[in-house]
Amino acid sequence: SQQGEEDPQALSIQEGENATMNCSYKTSINNLQWYRQNSGRGLVHLILIRSNEREKHSGRLRVTLDTSKKSSSLLITASRAADTASYFCATVHGSSNTGKLIFGQGTTLQVKP
Amino acid sequence: NAGVTQTPKFQVLKTGQSMTLQCAQDMNHNSMYWYRQDPGMGLRLIYYSASEGTTDKGEVPNGYNVSRLNKREFSLRLESAAPSQTSVYFCASSVTAGTGGSQPQHFGDGTRLSIL
Repeated sequence: SQQGEEDPQALSIQEGENATMNCSYKTSINNLQWYRQNSGRGLVHLILIRSNEREKHSGRLRVTLDTSKKSSSLLITASRAADTASYFCATVHGSSNTGKLIFGQGTTLQVKP
Repeated sequence: NAGVTQTPKFQVLKTGQSMTLQCAQDMNHNSMYWYRQDPGMGLRLIYYSASEGTTDKGEVPNGYNVSRLNKREFSLRLESAAPSQTSVYFCASSVTAGTGGSQPQHFGDGTRLSIL
């Protein structure tokens, strides 16, 4: 079962524009993670936000979390062609200590030069 | 520092053949995971090993077995391959399993497996 659902499924923007991706989840969580996957490569961890945090920044990335709406968003500012990739959110159920991440289907981002 | 290394990178099998996918990490991580990724879908967990000597089923374990050979290595075996197992397989590791998804996972670059 999918815990996270990303929206939109695909996004195409021009270099320099901002890209926003959304993730919704179904059950209570303690943490939410975002990953990037370049074509033909494995996933790379981008950022983790805890349930008691509302916003977190890392370079050009800004992640927000709204636990009341069970949703998170990932904003990439001033996008570059190198940001072209698929982006996934991932969570575990509640306080599970198994590390069993459940991934959404991902948003495919294309940044045109 | 290689991180997570998966072998082979590509493989074609015939239905009914068996195969073992290898995974090794050099980060001294305790926990390791096997996922599969199918087109248009996110990753789905097959098996995981929270620590050396333990393994447990994930979301889609049927048709697979795993072995945590030592702290570094975690292998995935297909005993009798089926076309439905055509997929890209990813191995990942984390320092520990963490609580509530508190640990980032580090991924290999995958094994692309086709079963005819």
